[in-house]
Parts: sequence; structure tokens; C-alpha cells
Amino acid sequence: KAGVTQTPRYLIKTRGQQVTLSCSPISGHRSVSWYQQTPGQGLQFLFEYFSETQRNKGNFPGRFSGRQFSNSRSEMNVSTLELGDSALYLCASGDGNTQYFGPGTRLTVL
Amino acid sequence: EDQVTQSPEALRLQEGESSSLNCSYTVSGLRGLFWYRQDPGKGPEFLFTLYSAGEEKEKERLKATLTKKESFLHITAPKPEDSATYLCAVQGYSTLTFGKGTMLLVSP
Repeated sequence: KAGVTQTPRYLIKTRGQQVTLSCSPISGHRSVSWYQQTPGQGLQFLFEYFSETQRNKGNFPGRFSGRQFSNSRSEMNVSTLELGDSALYLCASGDGNTQYFGPGTRLTVL
Repeated sequence: EDQVTQSPEALRLQEGESSSLNCSYTVSGLRGLFWYRQDPGKGPEFLFTLYSAGEEKEKERLKATLTKKESFLHITAPKPEDSATYLCAVQGYSTLTFGKGTMLLVSP
């Protein structure tokens, strides 16, 4: 089976802009989670979707949002970008208890 | 609130020098403890899931064990290709909570 794919792999944006990241889960997986990874904070949970419904949400401001489509593909959006949003954004898909991660999208905010 | 603490933050070993990484946790209702390996610039790669105290899992030079308060990742006779950051995570009632990882460097 193909693994989790994320696009784009790299993004450079400026403060105030918005960005949309995409994630395609492993075939058959209905759960998709998003994480932000920074050197200082490590991996922090953003949100989880299951069958197009947000099941859990982490402690991030409302500028961070996401959605899941009927084919389980997911997108996350960050509006009004800030310098502190620079990070590796990771998507993971699950088949029950275990989550499998994609390669991530490296977002740089200038 | 679920918490995961990993130690040491960084570990340098000589090739063949066995050691252990520690993961201490507090969680409401453990549904699983996970170990991942992450190489620079890549996503975490799944290694093991442990569900109950006393459980052990092995894969090549790695062995993970679990008690009620901590988990250990034992690395036997490591090779340079084992160099990576090892992440521990716990699944409670809702979300997966990660530790900050142990950066392992194995020198030839």
C-alpha cells in the first residue's frame, strides 16, 4: 500500500497570508490527524478527523482549521500567518489505534 | 492532562555500545504506548505499540518494554544507521501525546 502523502512538501509564505496543506491517507484509513512540529515544542496535536467529522481538537487558535472529504483526504488551512507558524506540519492516518505519518510539509513564514 | 517525558534528550554511543532510552508517562486510561523513529526532515516512522504492563516487542536491534509508569527502548549493539530521534507517545481517552524525543547518534 502507498503511504501517507502530503503536498506541497515545502512552502514559503509571508506574514498575513494564508496557506492550505493537503494530505492523502493510506487507502482504507478513515482517520486523519494533523500535528505541528517545532524544535522547541516538539510534536503538538492540531486536530483529528474521522469520516468527515472533527473528532478532537488541540489548543491552537482559530486561525488553524481543517476539513476532511468523503474520500478521506484532508486539508488544513492557516489564515493570517505569523512568524511563529513556521514549522513542519505532519499528517497521520490511522487504522484503529496506530497512526502512520506522512513526510510533512515544511512551512516557512517570512 | 496526559504527559510524556523522555530522557536523555541526546545520547551519543559508539557502534556496538548497547543502551536504553526512557519514556515516563502519566495518562488517563492508557489505550497504547507508541515508539516512533524520526530521521531529519522526515515524518515519524512507526516502530512499536505496547498496550499493557509487562508487554515487550522486538524488531532487529530494538526492544521496547512497558511498565505502569514508563517504557524503555533498548538498543542492542547499535549501528550508525540507528542514528535518529526516537519519539514516545501515549494514547489516552482522546488524543496522542508525544514526548520531545531522544536524539541518538551512533558513531562508527
